[in-house]
Amino acid sequence: EPEVTQTPSHQVTQMGQEVILRCVPISNHLYFYWYRQILGQKVEFLVSFYNNEISEKSEIFDDQFSVERPDGSNFTLKIRSTKLEDSAMYFCASSQSLNTEAFFGQGTRLTVV
Amino acid sequence: GENVEQHPSTLSVQEGDSAVIKCTYSDSASNYFPWYKQELGKRPQLIIDIRSNVGEKKDQRIAVTLNKTAKHFSLHITETQPEDSAVYFCAASTDKIIFGKGTRLHILP
Repeated sequence: EPEVTQTPSHQVTQMGQEVILRCVPISNHLYFYWYRQILGQKVEFLVSFYNNEISEKSEIFDDQFSVERPDGSNFTLKIRSTKLEDSAMYFCASSQSLNTEAFFGQGTRLTVV
Repeated sequence: GENVEQHPSTLSVQEGDSAVIKCTYSDSASNYFPWYKQELGKRPQLIIDIRSNVGEKKDQRIAVTLNKTAKHFSLHITETQPEDSAVYFCAASTDKIIFGKGTRLHILP
């Protein structure tokens, strides 16, 4: 069964460093998302991406965040200058169309020290 | 923007009993309502969803109801089993899926 894959599974970084989280969505999906989940809390929407551009973003997704689809398969989330409070599990998701099942990757646990 | 409230935050039920989780949403334009189950350390996985043109949907032991007028929707799990223990998230969607805060369901032996 096709699935969304994310790398790395765990990333530890120094505060102020840049990180890039990588995702490979399901191949025939057109809508891509990033969510984050601080330990024990809810899944928070960051950004949605369609047709090679951001379609929606939340208040969390400020100027230090960016997304890119550098080629036909990868979808990346970049955090330019990490802060302690960026420590969370980051989930990538994809869906075939709007308002259909979003399939989640296994997540990248980001720890900022 | 959309705001989804979910209750209760924690729910303990005896194995074999039913569990009910309730959610409300704020944006009347929301038209898709998925429910996700998340086991400890794992990704959220869809267990059932309902669209706004339907009032109820059932899949074996799981059922969802939707009241569009009141902006309420609920998840019902019957004949609960130990493997139902997890965190359950309701969500509402227009063009992005917004999650509730989650309900930690404990199934007691």
